[in-house]
Amino acid sequence: AQKITQTQPGMFVQEKEAVTLDCTYDTSDPSYGLFWYKQPSSGEMIFLIYQGSYDQQNATEGRYSLNFQKARKSANLVISASQLGDSAMYFCAMDAGNMLTFGGGTRLMVKP
Amino acid sequence: EPEVTQTPSHQVTQMGQEVILRCVPISNHLYFYWYRQILGQKVEFLVSFYNNEISEKSEIFDDQFSVERPDGSNFTLKIRSTKLEDSAMYFCASSPGTRDGTDTQYFGPGTRLTVL
Repeated sequence: AQKITQTQPGMFVQEKEAVTLDCTYDTSDPSYGLFWYKQPSSGEMIFLIYQGSYDQQNATEGRYSLNFQKARKSANLVISASQLGDSAMYFCAMDAGNMLTFGGGTRLMVKP
Repeated sequence: EPEVTQTPSHQVTQMGQEVILRCVPISNHLYFYWYRQILGQKVEFLVSFYNNEISEKSEIFDDQFSVERPDGSNFTLKIRSTKLEDSAMYFCASSPGTRDGTDTQYFGPGTRLTVL
């Protein structure tokens, strides 16, 4: 069974600063994918970034990057140059087949 | 950019009634999913669907639930006799289908189901 843990229920960041959202996972599957989704107050789930378990490089997508440390089983999301529109819930998720297991989420609040 | 669509956006029903939630996945995707999110809680997997049959299902997906792909575009979730605890946001998702953990799932905007 897969498990995703997000230990930060809520975080504040000053606009234009970088922020790291933590995610640790547990799985016995050798091949898996790690995902981050953003859920704004409107409720939709927006895909942000993906990291494969065999990827040698950390994934990056614009202002989002994933700090993947396989030995520590962590996949932290780094958002650079935070914007007010980044205020939302952020979910880490893992896929080791064809179902996603989600963490409990982190609510990020960007201060002007 | 193609996207997953869901209807209705909000459904209110009486306990014991049947509801059907509808989804149109991205057209060239092969895998379809339903998830639910009870207010303030994490997103939970319900079921995945591939090649016109259920691929995986969770413990939540009991006999009260069923899924169907009635035509080439729609994907539906039916709850036969709704309970108060079925009140949640229901998300449909679809993915291209690489089956190796790299398959990105794209979510629809959700249907908020309220059971009274």
